[in-house]
Amino acid sequence: AQKITQTQPGMFVQEKEAVTLDCTYDTSDQSYGLFWYKQPSSGEMIFLIYQGSYDEQNATEGRYSLNFQKARKSANLVISASQLGDSAMYFCAMRESRYNFNKFYFGSGTKLNVKP
Amino acid sequence: DGGITQSPKYLFRKEGQNVTLSCEQNLNHDAMYWYRQDPGQGLRLIYYSQIVNDFQKGDIAEGYSVSREKKESFPLTVTSAQKNPTAFYLCASSIRQGTNYGYTFGSGTRLTVV
Repeated sequence: AQKITQTQPGMFVQEKEAVTLDCTYDTSDQSYGLFWYKQPSSGEMIFLIYQGSYDEQNATEGRYSLNFQKARKSANLVISASQLGDSAMYFCAMRESRYNFNKFYFGSGTKLNVKP
Repeated sequence: DGGITQSPKYLFRKEGQNVTLSCEQNLNHDAMYWYRQDPGQGLRLIYYSQIVNDFQKGDIAEGYSVSREKKESFPLTVTSAQKNPTAFYLCASSIRQGTNYGYTFGSGTRLTVV
């Protein structure tokens, strides 16, 4: 089974509007971490936001927030007030820490296009 | 500043050649990883290493080899056995275990077979 599922291969959003990128995950661990990364066309991976499995509050970082619904195993990324520079690929990832070692799993990504 | 350096940024390989991609980090991270990314796709794990002189195969290790002789370095060799090596390769590192720590990524190497 897929550990991380991103069901939206591509998304369009109007500049200054909010957009939600979907992510569901699969794990039987109690302790895990959820991450979102942005990959511009240059290829670098930029860390955006982190949510721990025990965190009760949704994580926020500036215009990014993570809508964490533990029972549904979803960790959607919300970008508020989209900017043209937000156009990029976005990857959801999960970290499991079994046997005292971090192992990460990535989704297939969502390509976001922000329209002027 | 601490970080991960991948070199070269672009690499061209002839059919039948082995090529080695460099990955160096000065973050004092124990764990290092190599990923392959095809156009429009996600990341697939090739190899990872938890500590020096130890490494494990990931999901697509065939046709690749690695070494981990120093904590700072985790080079990836793409051998002639890898039939379709054209891709973007990303190296990453992390602390070995922890709750709120993610990866630090290098800037990647684009490998093209000519």
